[in-house]
Amino acid sequence: NAGVTQTPKFRVLKTGQSMTLLCAQDMNHEYMYWYRQDPGMGLRLIHYSVGEGTTAKGEVPDGYNVSRLKKQNFLLGLESAAPSQTSVYFCASGLPTGAPEEQYFGPGTRLTVT
Amino acid sequence: AQSVTQLGSHVSVSEGALVLLRCNYSSSVPPYLFWYVQYPNQGLQLLLKYTSAATLVKGINGFEAEFKKSETSFHLTKPSAHMSDAAEYFCAVSDHNDTNAGKSTFGDGTTLTVKP
Repeated sequence: NAGVTQTPKFRVLKTGQSMTLLCAQDMNHEYMYWYRQDPGMGLRLIHYSVGEGTTAKGEVPDGYNVSRLKKQNFLLGLESAAPSQTSVYFCASGLPTGAPEEQYFGPGTRLTVT
Repeated sequence: AQSVTQLGSHVSVSEGALVLLRCNYSSSVPPYLFWYVQYPNQGLQLLLKYTSAATLVKGINGFEAEFKKSETSFHLTKPSAHMSDAAEYFCAVSDHNDTNAGKSTFGDGTTLTVKP
């Protein structure tokens, strides 16, 4: 049981390049989330998904797209990277609302955009 | 709408001293409350959670937190700090709301330093 895994762990992009971050979970969780973490700003929700084939915008969705084609995977895409997207990205998964369950986090992806 | 305020972005204590990390929340409905810990270069992991069963919640590594509705607070404490407690701590709130999709709102975090 690997929990939540993220690929890659580190990446450096040039402005305008694109990339996809992969999140995978093996806990059969319905809900998945993408956050970004910036110094002094806590975690901010980018997008989330309440089930396979569904996605929704979070607090800071601009510049990102997501897809949830399979229940266990949640992809975060940057179509045209900007320096403002330099951050640490965390994926998390959890059980449906109504259960007092916490979110389970991956180890993070450190992205630098130059 | 839900929000969390963590008072003090940095807290420093001596080894063996009391740890107190403050968290105040705002929620329009009864909340779920969480404390997470993040060690350097790692993801967040759950310390403890409040789900309305008991106001004093005990978590891992000797931490506990008390839910005080009248003060809208959920402060994290540990009687005796250990060097291994040095980390960043996040308070989070999630509404009891079926449309909330389990989303949590996180505080900005408090960095705990433990001095020998």
